Amino acid sequence: RKEVEQDPGPFNVPEGATVAFNCTYSNSASQSFFWYRQDCRKEPKLLMSVYSSGNEDGRFTAQLNRASQYISLLIRDSKLSDSATYLCVVTGTDSWGKLQFGAGTQVVVTP
Amino acid sequence: DARVTQTPRHKVTEMGQEVTMRCQPILGHNTVFWYRQTMMQGLELLAYFRNRAPLDDSGMPKDRFSAEMPDATLATLKIQPSEPRDSAVYFCASGLSRSNYGYTFGSGTRLTVV
Repeated sequence: RKEVEQDPGPFNVPEGATVAFNCTYSNSASQSFFWYRQDCRKEPKLLMSVYSSGNEDGRFTAQLNRASQYISLLIRDSKLSDSATYLCVVTGTDSWGKLQFGAGTQVVVTP
Repeated sequence: DARVTQTPRHKVTEMGQEVTMRCQPILGHNTVFWYRQTMMQGLELLAYFRNRAPLDDSGMPKDRFSAEMPDATLATLKIQPSEPRDSAVYFCASGLSRSNYGYTFGSGTRLTVV
């Protein structure tokens, strides 16, 4: 079983709609959680950290469920520019914050 | 904005040649990662360093790959000899360990071995 698992998609979303997807992680002692965004042939870029109480950044909302070991990302009022692959990242339990990446969820926003 | 700088951006080389990729982490960051990304495998961790000390290079083929941090401003990844299956994008990322601010990636080195 992979340490971090994501639905690869693609999630085809009409412009203006809401899309949400999850990521599950296997290590219950994981410390920190992030969502990264990666555009085709570009480097991953930090979208947002995920805090225990959940957090929002504009149209993006992230949630953490430690009991069920998953994090989620919700995008409201989708824009064409939101089309990308969204990577779930979990830090391991080692002292140094080793990053574990999911394989990514592809989102395609259509006009 | 502070950024992680990787050189070269693109590299085409013949099988058997040595390849050296360089990374300049963001000043003050104490953790540096090397990742490889292919269409088939996604992001694979090759090696990472904290305070210039190698912590984990278990993802790296030891017979041909080596990673070093000769000083705090430079991380290197070498492949010798290179093989066609090494063709991929190699990313360097830096950050502060245990930070909630995540890690910053460089633009990557796109390596093609023919």
